[in-house]
Amino acid sequence: GAVVSQHPSWVICKSGTSVKIECRSLDFQATTMFWYRQFPKQSLMLMATSNEGSKATYEQGVEKDKFLINHASLTLSTLTVTSAHPEDSSFYICSARAHAASSYNEQFFGPGTRLTVL
Amino acid sequence: GDSVTQMEGPVTLSEEAFLTINCTYTATGYPSLFWYVQYPGEGLQLLLKATKADDKGSNKGFEATYRKETTSFHLEKGSVQVSDSAVYFCALKTGANNLFFGTGTRLTVIP
Repeated sequence: GAVVSQHPSWVICKSGTSVKIECRSLDFQATTMFWYRQFPKQSLMLMATSNEGSKATYEQGVEKDKFLINHASLTLSTLTVTSAHPEDSSFYICSARAHAASSYNEQFFGPGTRLTVL
Repeated sequence: GDSVTQMEGPVTLSEEAFLTINCTYTATGYPSLFWYVQYPGEGLQLLLKATKADDKGSNKGFEATYRKETTSFHLEKGSVQVSDSAVYFCALKTGANNLFFGTGTRLTVIP
């Protein structure tokens, strides 16, 4: 099946610094990528949807200036957490979809990135 | 709004035991329903799905039936194996909208 990777798998940073997380589709071209956030014992919450070459669409309540998303190519999307604070500590998961959704089209998920902000 | 309520875990079973993980949903339209599985260190993988009422999704010995009357999509397996140890997520999708996930249920199968 299709493979999506994330890098790094975990990161620890100091408060106030910025952290970049990469999401790559390894064996297919992803027209759409999704970024989720998961808190302990809670479900995955969609943060934003990005289409290659266009600006990301953020879900309500997600600060676009804090969580910068770039989807510059069909195989790479990045999430940058700017001026991170301890409350940004979480598990960030990306997924990728090959085609536009006129009907269900499967998303393939990365393994996630654990961010800890000290 | 759309939501998924999933049985809380963790669930610990002995090998060859019967598994049920409950999932109920709330949706404004006619959702498609999914179970995803996340093995340790890996991303979520689609386990099975059902797109309309009374459909049964099945894969790797797991089954779930789309019950519109009870708004449920419970996951079952007749005989679990150690290799089934993972976190299981119930999810729904309405039309072209995005996936809504449950909180996940961690299953541990002991020999």
